[in-house]
Amino acid sequence: AQTVTQSQPEMSVQEAETVTLSCTYDTSENNYYLFWYKQPPSRQMILVIRQEAYKQQNATENRFSVNFQKAAKSFSLKISDSQLGDTAMYFCAFQVTASKLTFGTGTRLQVTL
Amino acid sequence: EPEVTQTPSHQVTQMGQEVILRCVPISNHLYFYWYRQILGQKVEFLVSFYNNEISEKSEIFDDQFSVERPDGSNFTLKIRSTKLEDSAMYFCASSSDLVIPDTQYFGPGTRLTVL
Repeated sequence: AQTVTQSQPEMSVQEAETVTLSCTYDTSENNYYLFWYKQPPSRQMILVIRQEAYKQQNATENRFSVNFQKAAKSFSLKISDSQLGDTAMYFCAFQVTASKLTFGTGTRLQVTL
Repeated sequence: EPEVTQTPSHQVTQMGQEVILRCVPISNHLYFYWYRQILGQKVEFLVSFYNNEISEKSEIFDDQFSVERPDGSNFTLKIRSTKLEDSAMYFCASSSDLVIPDTQYFGPGTRLTVL
């Protein structure tokens, strides 16, 4: 069974600064996907970024990038130039092909002025 | 941009009543999922559906739950006899095996309150 661990329940960052959210996972699979989802107060689940395990290159989406360390089973999210609209709960998730998502417990990020 | 839709946005029901939560997945998607999130907790998988049958389900998805794709667009989750502990946000998600495979897109959720 897969497990996903997010060890930072809450984080705070000032506007325009950079913040990194941590995620580790445990699996015996070799081919899988990793995701970060954002959940604002509206509780909608919004896909932020995805990473295929077979790709060595770290995924990037505008201000969002990941540091994927397959051997260490680590998948952190870096948010650059933080904006007030980034305030949300962030969930790390793991998926084997055509299967369910397994989520971590989330990190609540507060962006302050 | 195509999106997953869910109705209703909020459902209030009495304990023991049946509820049906509705979802319209993205039109060319083939894999469908239900998840739930109890307030303040993480998102938990309930069931996945592919080719008109359940492909995987969790321990939460007991005999009180069922899913159906009654036509070419809707995907429903039925809870036969609701319990207080069923109060949660229920999310539908869908994914394709073609365009950006294995990426699940979520609907806005249905907040279920059982009194």
